[in-house]
Amino acid sequence: SQKIEQNSEALNIQEGKTATLTCNYTNYSPAYLQWYRQDPGRGPVFLLLIRENEKEKRKERLKVTFDTTLKQSLFHITASQPADSATYLCALGRNAGNMLTFGGGTRLMVKP
Amino acid sequence: EAGVAQSPRYKIIEKRQSVAFWCNPISGHATLYWYQQILGQGPKLLIQFQNNGVVDDSQLPKDRFSAERLKGVDSTLKIQPAKLEDSAVYLCASSSPRQGLEQYFGPGTRLTVT
Repeated sequence: SQKIEQNSEALNIQEGKTATLTCNYTNYSPAYLQWYRQDPGRGPVFLLLIRENEKEKRKERLKVTFDTTLKQSLFHITASQPADSATYLCALGRNAGNMLTFGGGTRLMVKP
Repeated sequence: EAGVAQSPRYKIIEKRQSVAFWCNPISGHATLYWYQQILGQGPKLLIQFQNNGVVDDSQLPKDRFSAERLKGVDSTLKIQPAKLEDSAVYLCASSSPRQGLEQYFGPGTRLTVT
């Protein structure tokens, strides 16, 4: 069966450092992968999308990589700030219908 | 532009009771999604509408859950009768191909079944 794994343990890092979150999947051939941010009591907010034929995408302090051979995506936040503290969700999608399958999310804590 | 609206924000019911959630998507978004998010987990898609037609409802427990999107705008999700394991946040999202593949989520309805 399809499986999407994100580190269920919280990631604690110091302000200014680079945070790296992983998303691994099995039994899935996604056309694209999305990353969302979710704050407590709120719905997820879209951050970045990367397609299967793309290796890397950047947006301001965010960078996403996608390795379809390893079946893995890495999500990086450079120069992290306490305001980056949240849960980050990866989601895999197929072209047909734009239906997303979400991972369980990783909670990031950035300490000042 | 206004975001996705959901109501109520919180609901507490006893098991075997019924409950309904309402969602108003972003204006012009033809695709609407209902997700269930259990505490500590990622959202799970329950049903997807394209205008007022169902695209996918393979993970909707149809013996107790129902959803409709009359006139292709607002949508309601109903649970009847509720079970303890239905306690979760119910998220509504919408999207439009003109804005890409990203989905825009509402704040969710937190349901507690006692």
